[in-house]
Amino acid sequence: SQTIHQWPATLVQPVGSPLSLECTVEGTSNPNLYWYRQAAGRGLQLLFYSVGIGQISSEVPQNLSASRPQDRQFILSSKKLLLSDSGFYLCAWSVRVPPDTQYFGPGTRLTVL
Amino acid sequence: GESVGLHLPTLSVQEGDNSIINCAYSNSASDYFIWYKQESGKGPQFIIDIRSNMDKRQGQRVTVLLNKTVKHLSLQIAATQPGDSAVYFCAENTQGAQKLVFGQGTRLTINP
Repeated sequence: SQTIHQWPATLVQPVGSPLSLECTVEGTSNPNLYWYRQAAGRGLQLLFYSVGIGQISSEVPQNLSASRPQDRQFILSSKKLLLSDSGFYLCAWSVRVPPDTQYFGPGTRLTVL
Repeated sequence: GESVGLHLPTLSVQEGDNSIINCAYSNSASDYFIWYKQESGKGPQFIIDIRSNMDKRQGQRVTVLLNKTVKHLSLQIAATQPGDSAVYFCAENTQGAQKLVFGQGTRLTINP
């Protein structure tokens, strides 16, 4: 069966510090991968998605970037965090064809102070 | 489309009653729909899905209804239990698209 991991589970960072969140998927090959952000009590905002190694699509211009160095690894980064980067970050995967159902990881709670 | 900036609407039901959560979509070309359940502090979990060639699909205690004429999707939960307390999201996908479009979500609270 497929599993998706995210770490860390929680993170408290000062404004201006760098960020690296990691997501890995097991039990599948060539998945689509997605990063979402969720503010408290709000809906899901798609940040980035990837259909293959090194292929990143950005949905919202922002202070963040994403990379996919390996087939089942997706990384969310920032060089300098802003207060507005606080939120719940979710990684998800789907099969490549058809890319319909997405399966979510446990999430990372990021607080920027 | 996405409504990520809006506060979630809330539905309160009595334990044991049936719950109906509604979702409207705008893209008439959408052909696949999903309901997710998100408990506090956790990632969304897949509940049930339905393709556009169907009007109704049933799972364990859940039923999804699709009305393509008015572009409306609903999730019915039978005999609501305390463990059903969560935020429920609908999502739609169009064939060939690489991403889902999520609804704003509905918070379901259960009264004892």
